[in-house]
Amino acid sequence: DTAVSQTPKYLVTQMGNDKSIKCEQNLGHDTMYWYKQDSKKFLKIMFSYNNKELIINETVPNRFSPKSPDKAHLNLHINSLELGDSAVYFCASTYRKGGGEETQYFGPGTRLLVL
Amino acid sequence: AQTVTQSQPEMSVQEAETVTLSCTYDTSENNYYLFWYKQPPSRQMILVIRQEAYKQQNATENRFSVNFQKAAKSFSLKISDSQLGDTAMYFCAFNRKGAQKLVFGQGTRLTINP
Repeated sequence: DTAVSQTPKYLVTQMGNDKSIKCEQNLGHDTMYWYKQDSKKFLKIMFSYNNKELIINETVPNRFSPKSPDKAHLNLHINSLELGDSAVYFCASTYRKGGGEETQYFGPGTRLLVL
Repeated sequence: AQTVTQSQPEMSVQEAETVTLSCTYDTSENNYYLFWYKQPPSRQMILVIRQEAYKQQNATENRFSVNFQKAAKSFSLKISDSQLGDTAMYFCAFNRKGAQKLVFGQGTRLTINP
């Protein structure tokens, strides 16, 4: 009964490749997010989607393209991977409609290593 | 822009002791939420405790409690009767109501020693 799941958990790839990370939540939430945690453990928002609409794009390079096919899914596609993209990527979700509690629940993270 | 500061990069205490982690934040907003998340070595981000800014009463969850000082913009986490399983990175986070994003502090690495 996983609440927020991500696949894959680990991703090792070469520079220049294109890769995708998938996220699914079964909490009935209407808002989903991607966060990046760098090597110093600092967490920063990348994207926010509400009801499949992009709400926040926090100055992320165009090589990163999120896609939300429905409210329960938010995928992250990365083109032309660079060494600096190596990080842990977290998906999160929350319920905001009607003044929802705004607590964000996180997936297990995807560790991306670009060689 | 809101900022969150955790001034203690690392802390270490003995099992069963009480430990307090500090967090300060900077905002001009009046309506917001504050959170503490725990990240054990498994790297899963786990919600520890949540506080709404309009509530004066400090939130508590079993051995975890906060000291929320709105005027001072301080939000410290107290862990009582610490256990080995409390060993983790702890992140303080701020969310302005309606902002749609969490702003995190730098984290505090807490080690509970047997």
